[in-house]
Amino acid sequence: DTEVTQTPKHLVMGMTNKKSLKCEQHMGHRAMYWYKQKAKKPPELMFVYSYEKLSINESVPSRFSPECPNSSLLNLHLHALQPEDSALYLCASMIQPGANVLTFGAGSRLTVL
Amino acid sequence: KQEVTQIPAALSVPEGENLVLNCSFTDSAIYNLQWFRQDPGKGLTSLLLIQSSQREQTSGRLNASLDKSSGRSTLYIAASQPGDSATYLCAVVNSGGSNYKLTFGKGTLLTVNP
Repeated sequence: DTEVTQTPKHLVMGMTNKKSLKCEQHMGHRAMYWYKQKAKKPPELMFVYSYEKLSINESVPSRFSPECPNSSLLNLHLHALQPEDSALYLCASMIQPGANVLTFGAGSRLTVL
Repeated sequence: KQEVTQIPAALSVPEGENLVLNCSFTDSAIYNLQWFRQDPGKGLTSLLLIQSSQREQTSGRLNASLDKSSGRSTLYIAASQPGDSATYLCAVVNSGGSNYKLTFGKGTLLTVNP
């Protein structure tokens, strides 16, 4: 298995909803990333987990809450989001931090109404 | 603070042409540089990774070069095809400190016309 799988592909939520994005990889990668990408912009780093521990939080608002339950799974919990949070959320993984190719999932397209 | 610039922002070529995409970075103390391809609304696909000690990498019709001292990389695409149409992004990882963070350029939107 050489993929990073993200679910759901599309998510529409209201500003009072609580939802989660899920990311899974079975390549034995020990670094996992969340990126946010707005249209026609490059990806912006949100969080990095290294060996299941949060190692980087790029000053992301607390309405985004990451979780890494095990080495294969990464979640992004969403609560009280704003319309400007609508974007493509990309998960990525790497064998070990900084060393190698970054493998991206196909993304979850989030729309906040 | 590392800044990555890609020129041109958009490029349109006829099928069969050879083309060069450019990437420059302000801090030459990098660990590696990676070129990605992104199709509309999709995730990024890694094309080539060049470590700081390397000068170039090749994969099929793609060749990426790195001149770390001048802060430049180029992606050469030979015999372009309509299927090459996509946005191409370069990203660098700085050496020292955290090796986790990639700094991306804004990308070059490539259109190859049949």
